[in-house]
Amino acid sequence: ELKVEQNPLFLSMQEGKNYTIYCNYSTTSDRLYWYRQDPGKSLESLFVLLSNGAVKQEGRLMASLDTKARLSTLHITAAVHDLSATYFCAVDIIGKLIFGQGTELSVKP
Amino acid sequence: KAGVTQTPRYLIKTRGQQVTLSCSPISGHRSVSWYQQTPGQGLQFLFEYFSETQRNKGNFPGRFSGRQFSNSRSEMNVSTLELGDSALYLCASKGDRGREQYFGPGTRLTVT
Repeated sequence: ELKVEQNPLFLSMQEGKNYTIYCNYSTTSDRLYWYRQDPGKSLESLFVLLSNGAVKQEGRLMASLDTKARLSTLHITAAVHDLSATYFCAVDIIGKLIFGQGTELSVKP
Repeated sequence: KAGVTQTPRYLIKTRGQQVTLSCSPISGHRSVSWYQQTPGQGLQFLFEYFSETQRNKGNFPGRFSGRQFSNSRSEMNVSTLELGDSALYLCASKGDRGREQYFGPGTRLTVT
């Protein structure tokens, strides 16, 4: 059974600190997505990672993909309150997205 | 380009009733997928439609069904509603060339 596991599931950070969210998955996939979800809202696409070694950065967020280790990371640099949200990784299996449990991030001043 | 739209945005139904949700994809997109989000089970794939045909299906009971029209708009139907069907239902559309899915705002269904 395909599993996508994120850790941590809850993350309370102070502004200005760095942290990493991990996403492990159990089967081969050539495409991984990161999404952001604010409370009561839909999913906002952050990154699409297409190949082994892919690294993408947008503002204070950087995502990477290691297909051999079946691992993706979402690194947060110098966190700010506006980054408070739930972050999901999702693995694409023939057009079907399998999501991780989500990481609820809270950034406190 | 307009994004994915879903109607209604909020819905309250009673156990045993049925409900129909609608999704209009981005113009030119022929693939529409549906996902259910609950606090307990997280985000789960329901089904995907492409050119009016179901192309992929998740592990949901037969009470959950869908269809797609020639204009690519899709509807999802849930019959004999149960309390556990309370969820945020998201649809996503995808273009023919890409594989990225673009999500709509969702329909919040509450079953009482």
